[in-house]
Amino acid sequence: EDKVVQSPLSLVVHEGDTVTLNCSYEVTNFRSLLWYKQEKKAPTFLFMLTSSGIEKKSGRLSSILDKKELSSILNITATQTGDSAIYLCAARGSTLGRLYFGRGTQLTVWP
Amino acid sequence: SAVISQKPSRDICQRGTSLTIQCQVDSQVTMMFWYRQQPGQSLTLIATANQGSEATYESGFVIDKFPISRPNLTFSTLTVSNMSPEDSSIYLCSVESGNTIYFGEGSWLTVV
Repeated sequence: EDKVVQSPLSLVVHEGDTVTLNCSYEVTNFRSLLWYKQEKKAPTFLFMLTSSGIEKKSGRLSSILDKKELSSILNITATQTGDSAIYLCAARGSTLGRLYFGRGTQLTVWP
Repeated sequence: SAVISQKPSRDICQRGTSLTIQCQVDSQVTMMFWYRQQPGQSLTLIATANQGSEATYESGFVIDKFPISRPNLTFSTLTVSNMSPEDSSIYLCSVESGNTIYFGEGSWLTVV
């Protein structure tokens, strides 16, 4: 059965801290891994990873995929209160557009 | 990129009634996907809406409960039928465009 597991499920930090969110996957015919940020309703796209070992960066956020370990991490440096959200990891298999989601990591950043 | 509009954004529904959610995309797409996110849970795929053919439902979801229409390449509807409190969720429409998957703003349904 295809599945995606995220850890931790919940994380509370103070502004300025660095956090690492984990995602592992078991998806048949894996094609790519995606990270989303969900604040209120709709998930907003952060990264798509297809190649192992190549880091993608956007400001204070970065992510990398390890296909050997079937995992990915999302790093956020110098966290801000605006980073408080649920971070979702999703894996894509062979079916165009179809994603398998993890339960998400609820990140809370205190001032 | 793709811009997806969903309606309604939120609604409070009576038990036993049905509600239809609309999803409009600003470009033509082959497949549209409907997800459900129950409180505190992640997104679960309900079905894939294909233009010109019947929707493909995931295990645990049936057409009688979640009928879907896909009249053209930019529009789809999802109906949640005979609602119960367990159907209280966010319902999200999704499409793939330019190798990225986009989501609508979601429809937050509360069944009382």
